Amino acid sequence: GAGVSQSPSNKVTEKGKDVELRCDPISGHTALYWYRQSLGQGLEFLIYFQGNSAPDKSGLPSDRFSAERTGGSVSTLTIQRTQQEDSAVYLCASSSPRGGASDTQYFGPGTRLTVL
Amino acid sequence: GDSVTQMEGPVTLSEEAFLTINCTYTATGYPSLFWYVQYPGEGLQLLLKATKADDKGSNKGFEATYRKETTSFHLEKGSVQVSDSAVYFCALAGGFKTIFGAGTRLFVKA
Repeated sequence: GAGVSQSPSNKVTEKGKDVELRCDPISGHTALYWYRQSLGQGLEFLIYFQGNSAPDKSGLPSDRFSAERTGGSVSTLTIQRTQQEDSAVYLCASSSPRGGASDTQYFGPGTRLTVL
Repeated sequence: GDSVTQMEGPVTLSEEAFLTINCTYTATGYPSLFWYVQYPGEGLQLLLKATKADDKGSNKGFEATYRKETTSFHLEKGSVQVSDSAVYFCALAGGFKTIFGAGTRLFVKA
């Protein structure tokens, strides 16, 4: 597709349920990033993929959060046993094949997660 | 660890006013620096970037210069327009991780 897509655009869930958030990066982009944007806050780095591997998982806030990427394309962020503090907009971004620090990241529209 | 600090908003200006949004950073090594913008109802997008000291990034009338001596990357525009109303994020990238500032909301009045 033309840009990064994410689904669902909105997700309302009950505390304790598991959720899966999906990201489709720009075709050919090997680098993929997940961020969390809480109300009034900046973007919090969660995880980075280069291809299918995640050399940096340091941003995942707890072991309830996990992410995978298969086929070097689609990525899924899973949050288990959701808590109210997980409510936020989850953003995905991808970047050019070089995947270096100077590459421009292209962001998806985000998934707004609300945990009741 | 690496960090980015940008001025708190909101910033409210009249059309054609001069804009400065301050951004300072702490980092090891030599990161790349970015300004991203989020217009109302739209996704985050790159506004400009600079990859080494003394580089000036520019786009849509906005400019920012990578100042290593003051560890700053302030965003400036000489004459803002109502359409510049948005949230602006300063960011640094070194290695795999990109660190974003908290964002500065700009309102431009006609």
